[in-house]
Amino acid sequence: EPEVTQTPSHQVTQMGQEVILRCVPISNHLYFYWYRQILGQKVEFLVSFYNNEISEKSEIFDDQFSVERPDGSNFTLKIRSTKLEDSAMYFCASSSVVVAGHMDNQPQHFGDGTRLSIL
Amino acid sequence: GNSVTQMEGPVTLSEEAFLTINCTYTATGYPSLFWYVQYPGEGLQLLLKATKADDKGSNKGFEATYRKETTSFHLEKGSVQVSDSAVYFCALKAARQLTFGSGTQLTVLP
Repeated sequence: EPEVTQTPSHQVTQMGQEVILRCVPISNHLYFYWYRQILGQKVEFLVSFYNNEISEKSEIFDDQFSVERPDGSNFTLKIRSTKLEDSAMYFCASSSVVVAGHMDNQPQHFGDGTRLSIL
Repeated sequence: GNSVTQMEGPVTLSEEAFLTINCTYTATGYPSLFWYVQYPGEGLQLLLKATKADDKGSNKGFEATYRKETTSFHLEKGSVQVSDSAVYFCALKAARQLTFGSGTQLTVLP
């Protein structure tokens, strides 16, 4: 079964440094997402991406964050200048699109996550 | 805004016991509802879904029914196994984003 893959599985970075988290979504999916889960807290939506642009973003997704689809397979999340509170598990997800308009019933398929630790 | 409230854990059961994990939601419109499961060291896996009122999602012996009148989507399994030990997340999808509950840790003892 096709999977969403994320690399690296664990990233340790000094505060203030830039970090890029990488994801390879399922190949025929067109919607891509990033979520994060701070230890002991809920999984929170960060951003959704479609047709090479952001379609939705949460309040968490401020100017320090950016997303990119640099080629036909990768989807990246960049944090420009990391802070201690950015330490979390970051999940990438993807979903397909149903032309008939019932978009909401398409499940999102998640990767195993990248654990980001900011020192 | 949208929100999901899940039964607090942790939940510990003996093998073959009956499982219920409660989930209620608040949403505008008609969201789709999901249960995701996270096994130790792994990502979120879709367990089951329901897209409209009275739909029943089922998978691997787990079931949940979309109850619009009570805004609930409780997860049930008649006989749990040790391999069901994991964290279970209830979620709703409105527009393109998922809103998750806080997760319920389930431990099944042999």
